[in-house]
Amino acid sequence: AQSVTQLDSQVPVFEEAPVELRCNYSSSVSVYLFWYVQYPNQGLQLLLKYLSGSTLVKGINGFEAEFNKSQTSFHLRKPSVHISDTAEYFCAVSDQDSGGYQKVTFGIGTKLQVIP
Amino acid sequence: DTEVTQTPKHLVMGMTNKKSLKCEQHMGHRAMYWYKQKAKKPPELMFVYSYEKLSINESVPSRFSPECPNSSLLNLHLHALQPEDSALYLCATSTDRGTYNEQFFGPGTRLTVL
Repeated sequence: AQSVTQLDSQVPVFEEAPVELRCNYSSSVSVYLFWYVQYPNQGLQLLLKYLSGSTLVKGINGFEAEFNKSQTSFHLRKPSVHISDTAEYFCAVSDQDSGGYQKVTFGIGTKLQVIP
Repeated sequence: DTEVTQTPKHLVMGMTNKKSLKCEQHMGHRAMYWYKQKAKKPPELMFVYSYEKLSINESVPSRFSPECPNSSLLNLHLHALQPEDSALYLCATSTDRGTYNEQFFGPGTRLTVL
């Protein structure tokens, strides 16, 4: 089974500063990677996804991520964060079980704390 | 309509109660999922329904009983729960069971078992 590792449990950053949230995945032939955001007391919302093609993926709210096969990484970046970006961010990988059904495995999450 | 709705938003129940969580979508999605999320942890998959048939049961205790009465509805019946079952229960849907499909999440039901 595939897995993802989020290297930072918490990332504090000042407002308007850039941020990078790190994610590494276990190597596989086909990789489908996602970043989700969870605001307090809410469900998860998709920020962006990598299925194939261009390694630079642009998402919502000004976020982007770069798929790096040689480093097995899929780091999330934003050039200038806002207070409203304070949330939990989950990196996830999609895989198929023996029955051919999608199973999504989430990383442990990174809490982004934007400081005014 | 691109929403997944869940009711109730909050639920408090005793260990002898029977209750149900409800999830509804009108996006025409044919795969539906139940996840359990404990505080400060990622979501953990419980069940997957594909075309209204139970496809995956991640060894969930029988006190949790899922049901998919039609393609728009997903229920989770709860009976004789334990305090450690207190968590946020998330419903998600996707177009079908393909590995490349985005999952759309509902806002969750915050369950407290006393």
